[in-house]
Amino acid sequence: NAGVTQTPKFRVLKTGQSMTLLCAQDMNHEYMYWYRQDPGMGLRLIHYSVGEGTTAKGEVPDGYNVSRLKKQNFLLGLESAAPSQTSVYFCASSYSQTGGSGELFFGEGSRLTVL
Amino acid sequence: GDSVTQMEGPVTLSEEAFLTINCTYTATGYPSLFWYVQYPGEGLQLLLKATKADDKGSNKGFEATYRKETTSFHLEKGSVQVSDSAVYFCALKNTGFQKLVFGTGTRLLVSP
Repeated sequence: NAGVTQTPKFRVLKTGQSMTLLCAQDMNHEYMYWYRQDPGMGLRLIHYSVGEGTTAKGEVPDGYNVSRLKKQNFLLGLESAAPSQTSVYFCASSYSQTGGSGELFFGEGSRLTVL
Repeated sequence: GDSVTQMEGPVTLSEEAFLTINCTYTATGYPSLFWYVQYPGEGLQLLLKATKADDKGSNKGFEATYRKETTSFHLEKGSVQVSDSAVYFCALKNTGFQKLVFGTGTRLLVSP
C-alpha cells in the first residue's frame, strides 16, 4: 500500500536555484495539500487542490507554485529558492469533503535545505 | 479566523505515567477535532477524532473528549510507553471548509 509518496526525500539547493517536489497518491483522493513544517510553528498550508486542474493558495504561498495536471499528482515548485524556504515539506491528500470527516493522509516528508 | 492552541513541550514522562496534552480551539460554528501523531522520521497520521460536542475519540489507549463549553480537546493516556514518544498535533476542520488548521505540536518524550 503506497498511499502518499513524496520525492525526493532530501535535497540541498543553493540560493536562486529551482526545483520541484513531486507528490503522488494512489487512493483516488480529490483533495491534495502541501504543508511546510518549521520548529515552533507546526504545519502551515502552502497550497492545496480540490481536484484535477485546480489549485488554491493557503497560508504561506509566496515563493511557491503548484500544479495538478493529473488527479494523482500534485507538484510543488520553487522558482528561485531562498534560505527561508529551508523546511520539511509534507504532502497530504483526502477524500472529497462534502460531509466527510476531514482525515488527511500524509507522505513521509521531504527535507529541503537552501544554502 | 480559526485557530488551535497546544501546550508547549517537550513533555517528559517516565514509562507508565499518566499523560495529558492540552488543546484549546477558537472557531465559529461546529468544527471537527483531531489528534495527529508524528513518529520520528515519519509523516503525520491520524490518532483519533471527534466530530461533535461530547464525542470521545479513542485509539491505542489514547482518549480525547470534545468539550464545547470549554472549547477544548485534551489528549490523555493512562499509562504511556516508550514507543509513544512522538510529536502530537491537535487540529480542527470547520464545517464547509476543506482545510485542517493545526496547532504547533507537542513533543512527548517517554523514558524507561
